[in-house]
Amino acid sequence: DIQMAQSPSSLSASVGDRVTITCRASQNIRNFLNWYQQKPGEAPKLLIYAASSLQSGVPSRFSGSGSGTDFTLTISSLQPEDFATYFCQQSYSRPSYTFGQGTKLEIK
Amino acid sequence: EVQLVESGGHLVQPGGSLRLSCTDSTFSVNNNYVTWVRQAPGKGLEWVSIIYLGITTYSADSVKGRFTVSRDKSKSTVFLQMNSLKAEDTAVYYCARDMDLHYDSSIGRYNYAMDVWGRGTAVTVSS
Repeated sequence: DIQMAQSPSSLSASVGDRVTITCRASQNIRNFLNWYQQKPGEAPKLLIYAASSLQSGVPSRFSGSGSGTDFTLTISSLQPEDFATYFCQQSYSRPSYTFGQGTKLEIK
Repeated sequence: EVQLVESGGHLVQPGGSLRLSCTDSTFSVNNNYVTWVRQAPGKGLEWVSIIYLGITTYSADSVKGRFTVSRDKSKSTVFLQMNSLKAEDTAVYYCARDMDLHYDSSIGRYNYAMDVWGRGTAVTVSS
């Protein structure tokens, strides 16, 4: 199984900050990497697919990069509605998907 | 607009069974891959099962032999039949559309992502 490791597990930041979350795969997954945002009590929401493609309707302050085993999600200027938990997910070994353990982004 | 709605979750005793439903009034579940993902209380996301366009299905090792996913096209509904339930199956269960959003021409494969999710249905396994 492909393991996904996110870091950090939690992060405190302020509105306007630039934030980066990292995801590392246990083997080469090319660009088969997606990012999701989840707010308390809500379903996950797709932000980025194929490592760097922005899902329709997602603000341009979100961006993704990376390939192979190392990936990053960047929020260029944090907004109040961005405080949430973020998950990476590999789709390389479809149908057997795996997720990172999540990064909780909190207000400083 | 595609809108997935899960139902069927409730309290069940260990060893019991439950059937979850995932419905979409636009009939997209009939023409798309549909996955089930669960989230235990305070935990991360875990892929459970997927049904392909026909009847092909796959499940995670943690539920293989106990959970079965199926589709009723006449009702535009995907089901997750859960048998021999254990306490560790306690979670919110989400269904999601698994969509081919990007084509990697260098290896001739599509990159899939879960682009539409339901709000989830809660399953509690406890005596």
